[in-house]
Amino acid sequence: DAKTTQPNSMESNEEEPVHLPCNHSTISGTDYIHWYRQLPSQGPEYVIHGLTSNVNNRMASLAIAEDRKSSTLILHRATLRDAAVYYCIPMFSGGYNKLIFGAGTRLAVHP
Amino acid sequence: EPEVTQTPSHQVTQMGQEVILRCVPISNHLYFYWYRQILGQKVEFLVSFYNNEISEKSEIFDDQFSVERPDGSNFTLKIRSTKLEDSAMYFCASTGVGEETQYFGPGTRLLVL
Repeated sequence: DAKTTQPNSMESNEEEPVHLPCNHSTISGTDYIHWYRQLPSQGPEYVIHGLTSNVNNRMASLAIAEDRKSSTLILHRATLRDAAVYYCIPMFSGGYNKLIFGAGTRLAVHP
Repeated sequence: EPEVTQTPSHQVTQMGQEVILRCVPISNHLYFYWYRQILGQKVEFLVSFYNNEISEKSEIFDDQFSVERPDGSNFTLKIRSTKLEDSAMYFCASTGVGEETQYFGPGTRLLVL
């Protein structure tokens, strides 16, 4: 299983972009990079995933380094509701594999 | 939007008692999981389940734990004889065939006294 490194915490102001980094230097060539988040007192929630190309969806964008050893989750305009713990999880293709959660990055969003 | 539901939301039990945590996965999903999160710690994988059998289990999932899909909709986690250290939030998740995403329920907070 690939090891990930994320900052313990980050802060942002509302309406500003947020870039959440993740290092996954031991990722295998077939692992997708998944991002989940956990809002306070809730279960984890899928955010986005990708393999090599940058990805966009309604929640966020995912920028993947060319060597795939790192990725950045981008929230284009942070809202108070985006305050959560964000987890970067490399996972072999096929959502039926287990998710291995690290400590994640706790994002605080200030009004 | 379909969602995973879990009952009860909170459960308090005495050490040594059996508890059953219930989950209703999203209706057309076929892969099911249990995770737990001890207060202030990481979310930990317990077990995955497919085609009426366990696909994978972690070291945490010892003989005190069992899972079952008793009918077409429920997925349960049983802890036979609870210990103090079983106190945690337990999350159920499910995935559909060909999907990359696991959908999590809101969790059951278990407190063992």
